[in-house]
This record gives sequence, structure tokens and C-alpha cells, in this order.
Amino acid sequence: DTEVTQTPKHLVMGMTNKKSLKCEQHMGHRAMYWYKQKAKKPPELMFVYSYEKLSINESVPSRFSPECPNSSLLNLHLHALQPEDSALYLCASSQGPGESYEQYFGPGTRLTVT
Amino acid sequence: KNQVEQSPQSLIILEGKNCTLQCNYTVSPFSNLRWYKQDTGRGPVSLTIMTFSENTKSNGRYTATLDADTKQSSLHITASQLSDSASYICVVRENSGGYQKVTFGTGTKLQVIP
Repeated sequence: DTEVTQTPKHLVMGMTNKKSLKCEQHMGHRAMYWYKQKAKKPPELMFVYSYEKLSINESVPSRFSPECPNSSLLNLHLHALQPEDSALYLCASSQGPGESYEQYFGPGTRLTVT
Repeated sequence: KNQVEQSPQSLIILEGKNCTLQCNYTVSPFSNLRWYKQDTGRGPVSLTIMTFSENTKSNGRYTATLDADTKQSSLHITASQLSDSASYICVVRENSGGYQKVTFGTGTKLQVIP
């Protein structure tokens, strides 16, 4: 299984809602990532988990809260988002956080904040 | 600041024709460079990885080159197919120990028409 899965595929939420994005991989990877991608822009790194511990937080607003319950799962909890947070949210995983490890990306969750 | 610039920004070619995409980077110290293909609304998929000592690497109809001296890379697509229509993203990883930060290029949007 060389797949990273993400749910839901699409999400529409109001600014007062609380929702969560889910990401799962069963490749035994020990590093997992959240990226945000706006239209026609490259992905921007948000968070890196290495061995289930948060190792990188790229100054992301607190309305985004990551969680890594176990080595296969990565969640992104959303609360009080703004319309400008609408984007494609990509999850990725790699065997480790080191330089030679390829990141495998999921298909993304298309988020719309109304 | 590390930068990765790609050209052209967009490209339209006829099915069956060849094309070459360019990537210039300032990332230092350099670790590796990957070319990804990203279909609209989907996660990126790795095509090739180039390390410092590699000049050319092929993956089917995709051939990547790297000139580490001039900090340039190219992705050549031969005998293009309609399914090649996608964004192609150059991603450069720096070699700084621990988690090596990656810098994404802005991408080239390729459209193959019949």
C-alpha cells in the first residue's frame, strides 16, 4: 500500500464551525506533513510531525491545530477559520524526515470557508 | 532567501510534440531536486529525484537534467500525451541537517492539446 488517503475530499464550513481534516497512511512512514495550497501557487508547508511529535510549525495561526494520534494518522482541527483560509489542504508522508526520503502526497481536501 | 523559479509559467503544446521545462534555484546548501506532476485538485506525484552527482535521470518519457554548478534543472517530456496536461513543480531540498527544508517552485502549467 503506497497510498496516502485524505478525508473528506471537499469541505464547506462557516466561520463559526469546528471541523477536522483526516490523513492516513499505512506505509510505516514516520514523518507526516500538512501543506496548504492556494490556486496556481505551490504548496506551503504548515506542520511536520516526526515520530508522532510536532517538529515544525511554520508560524501557522492557532485556528489550525494539528494532531497525530498514532504513526498512521494525522488530523488537522479547524476552528474559527476565515474565508482566506479556503484552499487545497495536502497531507504527505515520508519514511523519515531526512533528505533522501520522498514525500508521498495525498489527493488533498478542498476547503471552502464561507 | 532560498528561491526556486520555473519557466515558462504556462505552456500549450500539440499532442505528440516534445517540450522542456526549466527550473533555476538558489537553495544552498543543496541536497536534492525533485520534479513533481500535479493534476488539478490532486496531490503532487514524484517523477524524478536528482542528487548533486547526477546529471541526467529518466522515467519513461520524462528526462530530468541537473547542472549543480549553474543551479539549473530541466524536465524534458517526449512524445507528449493528453494525460501529460498538469502542473509540473520543481522542489529543491536544502542540506542543513535534521529536517531539511524544501522549497517549492511556482510550477509550470502544461496543456497538451489534440
